[in-house]
Amino acid sequence: NAGVTQTPKFQVLKTGQSMTLQCAQDMNHEYMSWYRQDPGMGLRLIHYSVGAGITDQGEVPNGYNVSRSTTEDFPLRLLSAAPSQTSVYFCASSYGSSGEKQYFGPGTRLTVT
Amino acid sequence: GQQLNQSPQSMFIQEGEDVSMNCTSSSIFNTWLWYKQDPGEGPVLLIALYKAGELTSNGRLTAQFGITRKDSFLNISASIPSDVGIYFCAGPHNTDKLIFGTGTRLQVFP
Repeated sequence: NAGVTQTPKFQVLKTGQSMTLQCAQDMNHEYMSWYRQDPGMGLRLIHYSVGAGITDQGEVPNGYNVSRSTTEDFPLRLLSAAPSQTSVYFCASSYGSSGEKQYFGPGTRLTVT
Repeated sequence: GQQLNQSPQSMFIQEGEDVSMNCTSSSIFNTWLWYKQDPGEGPVLLIALYKAGELTSNGRLTAQFGITRKDSFLNISASIPSDVGIYFCAGPHNTDKLIFGTGTRLQVFP
């Protein structure tokens, strides 16, 4: 099992550019989520999904879109990147639909200039 | 929104010392989770607690679910250099969202 994988590991964008952060898991987990981590602020939930075809907003969803067409994949789209979106992004997954005991990917470090 | 406050914010200790940190909430939680994040990595689950008053150990780590259900504690005994990292508490909010604390950054000096 590869667990939770994320690509790319690093990315630099210019303000206004769009891109997709990829996340995949091979554990057949129903629940997947995206967090951003900023210094001194811990992990904040962006969007989450309790199963294929179902997504919902977390604490800081503005500027981000998600979709869940398969159980395995949960891409995060930045529509028009802003410097405030400079952060480290983590994807996570867990059994069931409650979001407990989440397994995290290695993260994507994004810089927007 | 829901907040989990962790203290201390950071700790600088010598190898061999014991460590204590805590996490508090303004509302009741039915589950407390403790994660550790190594530098440059994603968080990894250390301990899960499901019952008020529960005390659970994982090697040198011991965590407790507070009686009021609004707090939790993590202790590390006889710290070693590989204990370095950020420790997060977390709890489920509205059944399908996991809320994380702000983290306690631990530095261990030999």
